Amino acid sequence: GAVVSQHPSRVICKSGTSVKIECRSLDFQATTMFWYRQFPKKSLMLMATSNEGSKATYEQGVEKDKFLINHASLTLSTLTVTSAHPEDSSFYICSAEGGGEYEQYFGPGTRLTVT
Amino acid sequence: TQLLEQSPQFLSIQEGENLTVYCNSSSVFSSLQWYRQEPGEGPVLLVTVVTGGEVKKLKRLTFQFGDARKDSSLHITAAQTGDTGLYLCARRQGGKLIFGQGTELSVKP
Repeated sequence: GAVVSQHPSRVICKSGTSVKIECRSLDFQATTMFWYRQFPKKSLMLMATSNEGSKATYEQGVEKDKFLINHASLTLSTLTVTSAHPEDSSFYICSAEGGGEYEQYFGPGTRLTVT
Repeated sequence: TQLLEQSPQFLSIQEGENLTVYCNSSSVFSSLQWYRQEPGEGPVLLVTVVTGGEVKKLKRLTFQFGDARKDSSLHITAAQTGDTGLYLCARRQGGKLIFGQGTELSVKP
């Protein structure tokens, strides 16, 4: 299957700072990328859908000014958590869709801890 | 959003036992996917079922899609400790994947 990478895999930041998470499709062009958030022992919650070159579509209840998403190229999407708070600590997972297929390929996730 | 109800939410069994996980919805879905996720990793697709009544096997895992395409099940035969993880069903809706609540499976030696 197709490969999706995320960087960093783990990050610790202080309250009030911003942190950027990258999601890359390594062997295909991702026309659409998705960002999910997952709490311990819980399912994936879709945060937003991003299409290359256009603004992301956020799910209800997700603050777009706090979770900035940029899909600047067909292989890269970034999620920036701005002015992070401890309650933003979570596991963030991206997925990518493209290459003529409708299957989503998931990245390995990024563990964010805000102190 | 049409919800997917998964049951049980938690399951702890001994190695060698059999188990079944269920995924139900009140609406019909065109297809359903099952994923397995290990701690600290992203979900990995196990199977996609499309046709009502369809049965697919993946080694010791058997996936079934209900005749009415409103429910699905995952049966694991002779569970192994390596089967431990979070099992998720998901359906496509409006270009997005909607996940069930997940079943946390723990297989003890």
